[in-house]
Amino acid sequence: KQEVTQIPAALSVPEGENLVLNCSFTDSAIYNLQWFRQDPGKGLTSLLLIQSSQREQTSGRLNASLDKSSGRSTLYIAASQPGDSATYLCAVRPGRDDKIIFGKGTRLHILP
Amino acid sequence: DARVTQTPRHKVTEMGQEVTMRCQPILGHNTVFWYRQTMMQGLELLAYFRNRAPLDDSGMPKDRFSAEMPDATLATLKIQPSEPRDSAVYFCASGLDRPGGEAFFGQGTRLTVV
Repeated sequence: KQEVTQIPAALSVPEGENLVLNCSFTDSAIYNLQWFRQDPGKGLTSLLLIQSSQREQTSGRLNASLDKSSGRSTLYIAASQPGDSATYLCAVRPGRDDKIIFGKGTRLHILP
Repeated sequence: DARVTQTPRHKVTEMGQEVTMRCQPILGHNTVFWYRQTMMQGLELLAYFRNRAPLDDSGMPKDRFSAEMPDATLATLKIQPSEPRDSAVYFCASGLDRPGGEAFFGQGTRLTVV
């Protein structure tokens, strides 16, 4: 059974720092992996999707990597800004017919 | 601006009442998910449709919950009768059935059952 874990649950860093959010999953056979952002009281915004055959995806200051063999993905945020403060969720889809399985998220606070 | 639209955004109802939540997937998307989010459990799948056919509803309490797609532009989630423990945010998401098909989420329906 696929399980997704995100550590730490919460993180505070000063503005301007580069940071890495971690996601681990128990079964290396995945269809895709997606990173989302959720602001308080809001819906989920898709940030990056990595297909099973890919190793990384980039969008602006964000870079997501995927290492299936070790069951890990990282979300790298460069030059963090207060507007990056949100909860970041990692989600794994085991197979085409499978549901998306979410981690519990990392609550990120960027200190001005 | 393509987006998943959910209605209502907020719903307060009394225990025992019927609640219907609606979702309009992004035009052309053929997969629809219903998730429930609570502080304790995080995001849990309730139902998953592909081409309007249910693929997985194992996470849905069958005695009170039902999910349907009357047509490709509308998905509904119904709770009857509602209970206080159903209080949560219910999200709908849609996507395309392919490896690179991202899931796009709506803004959610915040349900409070008193």
